[in-house]
Amino acid sequence: QSALTQPASVSGSPGQSITISCTGTSSDVGGYKYVSWYQQHPGKAPKLMIYDVNNRPSGVSNRFSGSKSGNTASLTISGLQAEDEADYYCSSYTSSSTLGRVFGTGTKVTVL
Amino acid sequence: QVQLVQSGAEVKKPGASVKVSCKASGYTFTSYYMHWVRQAPGQGLEWMGIINPSGDSASYAQKFQGRVTMTRDTSTSTVYMELSSLRSEDTAVYYCATEGVAEYWFDPWGQGTLVTVSS
Repeated sequence: QSALTQPASVSGSPGQSITISCTGTSSDVGGYKYVSWYQQHPGKAPKLMIYDVNNRPSGVSNRFSGSKSGNTASLTISGLQAEDEADYYCSSYTSSSTLGRVFGTGTKVTVL
Repeated sequence: QVQLVQSGAEVKKPGASVKVSCKASGYTFTSYYMHWVRQAPGQGLEWMGIINPSGDSASYAQKFQGRVTMTRDTSTSTVYMELSSLRSEDTAVYYCATEGVAEYWFDPWGQGTLVTVSS
């Protein structure tokens, strides 16, 4: 099972919006609504930001939003803030293995 | 609230095995699946497998089949991940993370356990 493809890095100035893409196949991203996104600060465990493509858990800022088109999912961060600087990973259910999951390659977000 | 507490850091020699624990609290242990995910230094997240605590059935990523075993102890609400035939490339932080039935996301996560494989 290959990792989902994300850009290595994305940057933006405070207040701007950025979008991170996550490209898979019809066996994972394209075939199911089960895409989630995680934020990870250095030395910390990942934190759930988006689930089921476009749902935000309680407590997550509405500046974070998700979408999907075909085999590509996207995470948009609007009104970029300094604390948004972190690594971001997408994840999807995959039919390639029983109850399988696959992660994206990860994207480093830098706030300029 | 739901909390996952993992065992402490380990240092192992190549060829050895390591067993990492993940103790759950704040919810009905048998109602949630448990995943294991690892992260090598400076690298991304890698899914290793999933265990159903209610029935002790597990499914592993193809990469780890034959080397990984996931088990659970319902009396202590603890899940275990054992990785054998360790090599230097297995040096990583290992995380456990829960997932509700018919849910497809990881939340919450344990704090992580660093396993270092070195001769």
